[in-house]
Amino acid sequence: LAKTTQPISMDSYEGQEVNITCSHNNIATNDYITWYQQFPSQGPRFIIQGYKTKVTNEVASLFIPADRKSSTLSLPRVSLSDTAVYYCLVVADQTGANNLFFGTGTRLTVIP
Amino acid sequence: NAGVTQTPKFRVLKTGQSMTLLCAQDMNHEYMYWYRQDPGMGLRLIHYSVGEGTTAKGEVPDGYNVSRLKKQNFLLGLESAAPSQTSVYFCASRRSGGVKETQYFGPGTRLLVL
Repeated sequence: LAKTTQPISMDSYEGQEVNITCSHNNIATNDYITWYQQFPSQGPRFIIQGYKTKVTNEVASLFIPADRKSSTLSLPRVSLSDTAVYYCLVVADQTGANNLFFGTGTRLTVIP
Repeated sequence: NAGVTQTPKFRVLKTGQSMTLLCAQDMNHEYMYWYRQDPGMGLRLIHYSVGEGTTAKGEVPDGYNVSRLKKQNFLLGLESAAPSQTSVYFCASRRSGGVKETQYFGPGTRLLVL
C-alpha cells in the first residue's frame, strides 16, 4: 500500500484558493487517489477521487501529474466552513474489503 | 435515509466495565467498518465485515470484539474496558465493489474510560 505524505497544517484567509499537495511516490498502477474531509466532531466524508490528470466536482478539484507520484487537492475560494482536516488516501482498484488507511491528514484553518 | 447512525453518542465507563457500541446503516451496504480516532491522529481500523455473518480483524483489534448478525447492524464490544480505549469510535459502511465505492461514516461515539 502506497504511503502518503501531506503537510500537517495550513492556514488560509477566506476567499483564497487553497492547494493541498500529497506525495505518494510508491503508488501502484491500479491505485486511485482519494480525498476525505473531516469536520470537527464528525466522521470523515468523501470529497473527490481520481486516477490521472484532473477531476472536478462541486466541492473541489484534484490535479494528478503524469507520473502520479503526487496529487493536489484544490479548494476554490474557501470559507470558514471549510476548516477541517483533509486526508489523502491511496486506494487499490480491487474488489474485496479495500480497507482505507488514514494518516494524520492536513488540518486546514480558514481565517476571517 | 438516515445513512449511518451510531449509538450511544457519548459514554463514560470505569476500567473493567463492558459495553457495546451499535452501528446501523439503512443503505443496504455489504461492507461495514469500525475505526477509532485518538486526539490529533488519523483513523485506525479495528474490525470490519464484508457481509452478514462475517467479520475480520483490522489494524488494532486487540481488546475489541464485533458481530454482524444482521446486514444493517455492526456491533463493537469492549469486554473489559481500559483507559487506553478512550477514543472516538467511528463506524462506516459502503457497497461491495471496487475502489469507486466510497465509505460513508457515522457521527461517532465518544468513549471515556476512567
